[in-house]
Amino acid sequence: GENVEQHPSTLSVQEGDSAVIKCTYSDSASNYFPWYKQELGKRPQLIIDIRSNVGEKKDQRIAVTLNKTAKHFSLHITETQPEDSAVYFCAPGGYQKVTFGTGTKLQVIP
Amino acid sequence: DTGVSQNPRHKITKRGQNVTFRCDPISEHNRLYWYRQTLGQGPEFLTYFQNEAQLEKSRLLSDRFSAERPKGSFSTLEIQRTEQGDSAMYLCASSLARLITDTQYFGPGTRLTVL
Repeated sequence: GENVEQHPSTLSVQEGDSAVIKCTYSDSASNYFPWYKQELGKRPQLIIDIRSNVGEKKDQRIAVTLNKTAKHFSLHITETQPEDSAVYFCAPGGYQKVTFGTGTKLQVIP
Repeated sequence: DTGVSQNPRHKITKRGQNVTFRCDPISEHNRLYWYRQTLGQGPEFLTYFQNEAQLEKSRLLSDRFSAERPKGSFSTLEIQRTEQGDSAMYLCASSLARLITDTQYFGPGTRLTVL
């Protein structure tokens, strides 16, 4: 099965700074790389995803970069805001299913 | 509301009892997933369906767990002879699976507490 690791497990940043979370995976067949955000007491929600034929994707303050050779992809959040505080999960996979990482708790300090 | 719904939202039961949860996916979605999530962990895959067919079941899932999706729409997850270790949030997700992407939309979850 897929082994998924996220680093760091916790991250505190000052409001306005950038945050980067890295996800490493083991299955070279993975071709879909999403990031989910889960606020306290709420359900996970997709915030950005990337396919294996693309190296980078941006959506306003959020970006995802993929290094398929090294089997890792990263979430980048710029100009962080207090509402970005949440747990972020990577979930690499493919057509069959995805495997969630253990999560990164991001705290944005006002 | 056209999102994924789950019932009940909370369930408290005594050890040894059976419980059943229901998930109603987004109507046009052909895939339905069940996950279990404990505090501080990511969602742990339990099983998934494509239409009415159960395509995979986690090796971690004991025989006390069973899931059905009889008409390819809603799904039920039953846990027999519950144990305290079954206490968790049970999440359902649905997706419209395409060749590469499989964006999953989650329901609010059912929180199970086994006393």
